[in-house]
Amino acid sequence: IAGITQAPTSQILAAGRRMTLRCTQDMRHNAMYWYRQDLGLGLRLIHYSNTAGTTGKGEVPDGYSVSRANTDDFPLTLASAVPSQTSVYFCASTRTSGSGSGELFFGEGSRLTVL
Amino acid sequence: AQSVTQLDSQVPVFEEAPVELRCNYSSSVSVYLFWYVQYPNQGLQLLLKYLSGSTLVKGINGFEAEFNKSQTSFHLRKPSVHISDTAEYFCAVRRSGAGSYQLTFGKGTKLSVIP
Repeated sequence: IAGITQAPTSQILAAGRRMTLRCTQDMRHNAMYWYRQDLGLGLRLIHYSNTAGTTGKGEVPDGYSVSRANTDDFPLTLASAVPSQTSVYFCASTRTSGSGSGELFFGEGSRLTVL
Repeated sequence: AQSVTQLDSQVPVFEEAPVELRCNYSSSVSVYLFWYVQYPNQGLQLLLKYLSGSTLVKGINGFEAEFNKSQTSFHLRKPSVHISDTAEYFCAVRRSGAGSYQLTFGKGTKLSVIP
């Protein structure tokens, strides 16, 4: 089934540990995004990538890094996790070439708890 | 930059009653507007979108929204809600045209349908 796969779906992590959230899409979308969702705050953009090989910072990038080595994969890394990074993380993608609105397609989310 | 304000964080409504979820946006340039729905423990899926043309937009599951440029609003409506409409709804905006596909989301409105 075409779409976005995120892993893990849920993780409990000790503060100070390194963690990578994985995101893979098979729709050949060139743009990908990472959002975090927190109660009462909606979704906030962490990092984005308009095309393979490029990345950019969103609204809340501190403490996170991303890479985009190819079209399909867009991992998000927490180098040293802190409790404030407890959140639900969503990966999304969109096609930016040709016609269309740039509608975002979302993964199912990764729930991360940092203790 | 664009911003979105969802005026109600929670909206309870009885089954088969009409509902309106309010969304106002701010932007110095022309925009595209979106409504997404999130069911419990799932990712977001697109309900409807306004790109151009008719200001009344129809989406899935009987929802519709009206773009009002003078009032900078994009309210979501449904004439008769079902229990299955219980979910969180997010309004989102991005600048129109090509080049920037990042969505800015509102903080969400939780719709609770009461039997």
